[in-house]
Amino acid sequence: DAKTTQPTSMDCAEGRAANLPCNHSTISGNEYVYWYRQIHSQGPQYIIHGLKNNETNEMASLIITEDRKSSTLILPHATLRDTAVYYCISLSGNTGKLIFGQGTTLQVKP
Amino acid sequence: DTGVSQDPRHKITKRGQNVTFRCDPISEHNRLYWYRQTLGQGPEFLTYFQNEAQLEKSRLLSDRFSAERPKGSFSTLEIQRTEQGDSAMYLCASSPRGRGQGTFGSTEAFFGQGTRLTVV
Repeated sequence: DAKTTQPTSMDCAEGRAANLPCNHSTISGNEYVYWYRQIHSQGPQYIIHGLKNNETNEMASLIITEDRKSSTLILPHATLRDTAVYYCISLSGNTGKLIFGQGTTLQVKP
Repeated sequence: DTGVSQDPRHKITKRGQNVTFRCDPISEHNRLYWYRQTLGQGPEFLTYFQNEAQLEKSRLLSDRFSAERPKGSFSTLEIQRTEQGDSAMYLCASSPRGRGQGTFGSTEAFFGQGTRLTVV
């Protein structure tokens, strides 16, 4: 399973885009990149995932570099409720096992 | 209820006692996972079931820990002779991955709210 590295913490102003980077330089060709977030005292919540192409859903966009060594999660208009720990994870496709790192604590400020 | 349900939400126990947690996955999800999370850390994988078969166990799962999923539906996680180091949030997740899907398939896991264990 590929190791991912993320900044420990980030701040973002309410209403602005939050761009959360992730490095996954050892990712293999068939490993997906997943993003989850965890709001205090709750279970992790799925956000988005991708393999090669950029992806967008109602929550966020995922930009994956062409060499797949890094990606960026974009929350287009951050709100105070987006304050959470964001985890970038590479998924072992055979089992679906998620290997969490320490994630990025995103603080959205008014 | 369409989500993953865990019971109890909180458990305080004395060191040396046994505890059992229950997880009810989303209906028809045939994959079920247990994770443990300590303060300030990301969740750590403990074990994984596909239907009733326990297919992988982490080295974190000592002999005092046992998990079952007898009918491929709900699962239980038992900790025997609890220690203070077992204090953590225990999270359950399920996903609808089916048989035969290999590395080129993908789907998300849905997590429960967790059981917070405090060993005193």
